[in-house]
Amino acid sequence: DGGITQSPKYLFRKEGQNVTLSCEQNLNHDAMYWYRQDPGQGLRLIYYSQIVNDFQKGDIAEGYSVSREKKESFPLTVTSAQKNPTAFYLCASTLRHSQLEKLLFGSGTQLSVL
Amino acid sequence: GESVGLHLPTLSVQEGDNSIINCAYSNSASDYFIWYKQESGKGPQFIIDIRSNMDKRQGQRVTVLLNKTVKHLSLQIAATQPGDSAVYFCAENRSNQGAQKLVFGQGTRLTINP
Repeated sequence: DGGITQSPKYLFRKEGQNVTLSCEQNLNHDAMYWYRQDPGQGLRLIYYSQIVNDFQKGDIAEGYSVSREKKESFPLTVTSAQKNPTAFYLCASTLRHSQLEKLLFGSGTQLSVL
Repeated sequence: GESVGLHLPTLSVQEGDNSIINCAYSNSASDYFIWYKQESGKGPQFIIDIRSNMDKRQGQRVTVLLNKTVKHLSLQIAATQPGDSAVYFCAENRSNQGAQKLVFGQGTRLTINP
């Protein structure tokens, strides 16, 4: 079945540690996205990539980094510079950035600080 | 300021009743709007969308109404079922100099009482 797979489901970060969240899709989508979700707030865009080897900052990119070396993979690294990393992280993809109405989401990763 | 907001953060209805979830937006240039359903611990799922040149769109048990005059969007769910319990988000697609962006509301938690 085609879809978006995020792993792990739960992740814990120690102070000063970088952690990487995985996002893989087998939908042949060009565009991929990372959103952060905090309780009682709407989704906020961290980074997005319209095509392999290219990505752009979203609204809250500080403290995060991404790479897009393969079409199917868009990992997100939460660096130690992100002082408030506890949140639910959602990866999403669509065939092309111009088709945001067809955005599909993964099941999310809950990141917590130890 | 620019925002997509919801009038009520929580809504409880009796099973079998109809529910209406509201959303206000402030950007009159937004060209389409999407409603998502998010169950606990999962990613948002697309429910229905509507373009700005329409006032109403119907799906299976769901209807979206768009009032551009007052910048208001609503989602009506008919004959609610226990499985409808979730958080519902509206999102608007904003275009700025060719760049598109989805802006999400904070969500309304719908609870279906037996």
